[in-house]
Amino acid sequence: LAKTTQPISMDSYEGQEVNITCSHNNIATNDYITWYQQFPSQGPRFIIQGYKTKVTNEVASLFIPADRKSSTLSLPRVSLSDTAVYYCLVGFNSGGSNYKLTFGKGTLLTVNP
Amino acid sequence: SAVISQKPSRDICQRGTSLTIQCQVDSQVTMMFWYRQQPGQSLTLIATANQGSEATYESGFVIDKFPISRPNLTFSTLTVSNMSPEDSSIYLCSVEGLDSSEQFFGPGTRLTVL
Repeated sequence: LAKTTQPISMDSYEGQEVNITCSHNNIATNDYITWYQQFPSQGPRFIIQGYKTKVTNEVASLFIPADRKSSTLSLPRVSLSDTAVYYCLVGFNSGGSNYKLTFGKGTLLTVNP
Repeated sequence: SAVISQKPSRDICQRGTSLTIQCQVDSQVTMMFWYRQQPGQSLTLIATANQGSEATYESGFVIDKFPISRPNLTFSTLTVSNMSPEDSSIYLCSVEGLDSSEQFFGPGTRLTVL
């Protein structure tokens, strides 16, 4: 499984757009890029997944350049409740037969008032 | 989405004892996963549990220490055996979503071993 590297922590302020970049230089052809969010005392929660270019949902956007060696999670107009640890994961989604998540260290995002 | 509950939510145990953690899902799922999250650390996969077959353990985890049961498609248990303070962690179960693009996690069981 491809290893990921992301900043240990980031600080932001309410209302700002936050971009968290993840490096995955050894990503394989079949690998997808997935981001999870974890609040204290809770299990991780799926945010977004992509393979290439740009993916957007109601929560975030995911930007993936053509070489797919990195990806950027973009959170628009963050609020205090977005303070959490954000994990970037890379792995092969084999359609249900064996998708094992490998979590890196994650990025602690702190949103300040 | 899937709603997952775990019991107990937390426990404090004595060294040398065992604790069984239950994971209940509100829908039938093929695969269930058990993770460990040590204090201040990321999540580490312990094993994958399929209904009707033996659990598959990741490197560093063995069945004697973490026996798993998967009696049906909505339930699984993880036992932490012969506990030591190093087993103090949060233990989480998860299941795959219908399209397998995401996993849903339970709230976790916070275990403290004295």
